[in-house]
Amino acid sequence: NAGVTQTPKFRILKIGQSMTLQCAQDMNHNYMYWYRQDPGMGLKLIYYSVGAGITDKGEVPNGYNVSRSTTEDFPLRLELAAPSQTSVYFCASSRDRSNQPQHFGDGTRLSIL
Amino acid sequence: AQSVTQPDIHITVSEGASLELRCNYSYGATPYLFWYVQSPGQGLQLLLKYFSGDTLVQGIKGFEAEFKRSQSSFNLRKPSVHWSDAAEYFCAVAPATGGFKTIFGAGTRLFVKA
Repeated sequence: NAGVTQTPKFRILKIGQSMTLQCAQDMNHNYMYWYRQDPGMGLKLIYYSVGAGITDKGEVPNGYNVSRSTTEDFPLRLELAAPSQTSVYFCASSRDRSNQPQHFGDGTRLSIL
Repeated sequence: AQSVTQPDIHITVSEGASLELRCNYSYGATPYLFWYVQSPGQGLQLLLKYFSGDTLVQGIKGFEAEFKRSQSSFNLRKPSVHWSDAAEYFCAVAPATGGFKTIFGAGTRLFVKA
């Protein structure tokens, strides 16, 4: 039972670089989410998806992009990394909206220098 | 404005003592309510949730929470804390009528002393 798997666990980027945070789930969940967690703050929703091919913006989408070509995978892309994007990123999934979000990955700790 | 407040940034309790973590929310209508726990270096784990019905909700790991509409509160309780309960706890609210704008509180870190 892998659940939600995120890679990498840690990454340091330079300002202006780009990268993709990977997220995969093996529970056949329709709903997937990306959150960021800043120190002393609750999670903020970046993007979410209700199924393959369908994505929508959350509370803090600027500077990020997502895609959902399969049910399993929901990658998050940073195109031009900025120091304000230094954070811990969590991917999550749920079977439906009423259980949102239920299963979390262990996070990716990203530093932009 | 919609918000979730966890008044205590951190709490210390002795092992075996009872625990209550506070959560207050401001929302237009009765929302869905959740409590999550986060151990260091890990993602959040859902402890329990309230949608409707019985206002006392039982969760995993011996936790329970009580929804009090008149106080806009959803406090988390455990009768006897174990050292393994040391973690950060998050209260969250989500719209019951649609949308995905789950709002998380800032968290309460629980320390357990022997």
